[in-house]
Amino acid sequence: DAKTTQPTSMDCAEGRAANLPCNHSTISGNEYVYWYRQIHSQGPQYIIHGLKNNETNEMASLIITEDRKSSTLILPHATLRDTAVYYCIVLENYGQNFVFGPGTRLSVLP
Amino acid sequence: GAVVSQHPSWVICKSGTSVKIECRSLDFQATTMFWYRQFPKQSLMLMATSNEGSKATYEQGVEKDKFLINHASLTLSTLTVTSAHPEDSSFYICSATSDSSYGYTFGSGTRLTVV
Repeated sequence: DAKTTQPTSMDCAEGRAANLPCNHSTISGNEYVYWYRQIHSQGPQYIIHGLKNNETNEMASLIITEDRKSSTLILPHATLRDTAVYYCIVLENYGQNFVFGPGTRLSVLP
Repeated sequence: GAVVSQHPSWVICKSGTSVKIECRSLDFQATTMFWYRQFPKQSLMLMATSNEGSKATYEQGVEKDKFLINHASLTLSTLTVTSAHPEDSSFYICSATSDSSYGYTFGSGTRLTVV
């Protein structure tokens, strides 16, 4: 079973920041938080991951709360091409099963 | 960055025939590969995990004799759907990881339609 909970769907206006929350209240100390997204009929695409500290890359920022029980993925300037299902996943080690929950369906509106 | 190539991207086959799907890691050695199945408007469901040179580990409810997985090298895993039926029609996705990678790289998926 997935160890995370996410809202089923969200809308965001084009050009605005999209903030996608994820709850992972049972996360253990060695587990990372990963974010992937899946555009329709494609394989999942890696976005970002983190352990404790906030992370930023060219795609997004990841904000992890101090108690690590929740996190937020931020797309700073959403475009129509960011419309996708976003998955938040917690995982400890390479080689472990990568279990997907239902994710959040983000719709970026013009 | 790490790239995983999946082939074919789509296939149509007749009931009773077998279909092979290939998953290749192009620029890294994949010690572990995963196979997923995704039905319309649903999330990815893990079917099996395979490590190079050993038998695949199947998830509960997945028939190992129907979904044959071979991971003969560090860059190639294959999934063969044997005696396909219309209910096997789905989107099949592979992913790969290595000990030195920081995550899991996914293939582009294969849409299988059994008629």
